[in-house]
Amino acid sequence: QITLKESGPTLVNPTQTLTLTCTFSGFSLTTSEEAVGWIRQSPGKALEWLALIYWSDEKRYRPSLKSTFTITKDTSKNQVVLTMTNMDPVDTATYYCAHRIQGFFDYWGQGTLVTVSS
Amino acid sequence: DIQMTQYPSSVSASVGDRVTITCRASQGVSNRLAWYQQKPGKVPKLLIYAASTLQSGVPSRFSGSGSGTDFTLTISSLQPEDFATYYCQQAKSYPYTFGQGTRLEIK
Repeated sequence: QITLKESGPTLVNPTQTLTLTCTFSGFSLTTSEEAVGWIRQSPGKALEWLALIYWSDEKRYRPSLKSTFTITKDTSKNQVVLTMTNMDPVDTATYYCAHRIQGFFDYWGQGTLVTVSS
Repeated sequence: DIQMTQYPSSVSASVGDRVTITCRASQGVSNRLAWYQQKPGKVPKLLIYAASTLQSGVPSRFSGSGSGTDFTLTISSLQPEDFATYYCQQAKSYPYTFGQGTRLEIK
């Protein structure tokens, strides 16, 4: 059974760096074709794909955010980490990590609400 | 980026009704399209992928069709638990993009 869970701060100040960790089980990011993505959802808004990391360590980012986002993996801990620099109030959202299959997301974490405010 | 536009933005329907939601891509995505259901305060749930393949455990009243730029999600007979917001998502090219959502409400 695949499970994922996000963790990290719930409140960050503007301009700070946010680090979110996705801890997963039921699959391995050392297995070919496996990937984990991050998606966010601002309050009352639609879903927005942010980044993706493959078993091969290939990484993909939303172009408009590429300069501020970094995605990494720690296969020994079954974790994927998303780092976002220079946080802004518009980045206030629920952040989800999800397991990718054929480009789609079949298992999602519960999400973590991050508020950017001073 | 490929823009995904859903029609309608909201729809009211009754239990037992047949409902169709449309998703249009700004350029062809082949069959690289999924549909998700999200209830208030809950995590999105994958319903259909590859345009028409039902995800395991999803009731058969849900179906998807289409290819290229035009896709539909159909619920053949609405059940009380189906009232939610539905999103389409393309996986043809990066960045993956979602539609703006269609809210399905009780009439």
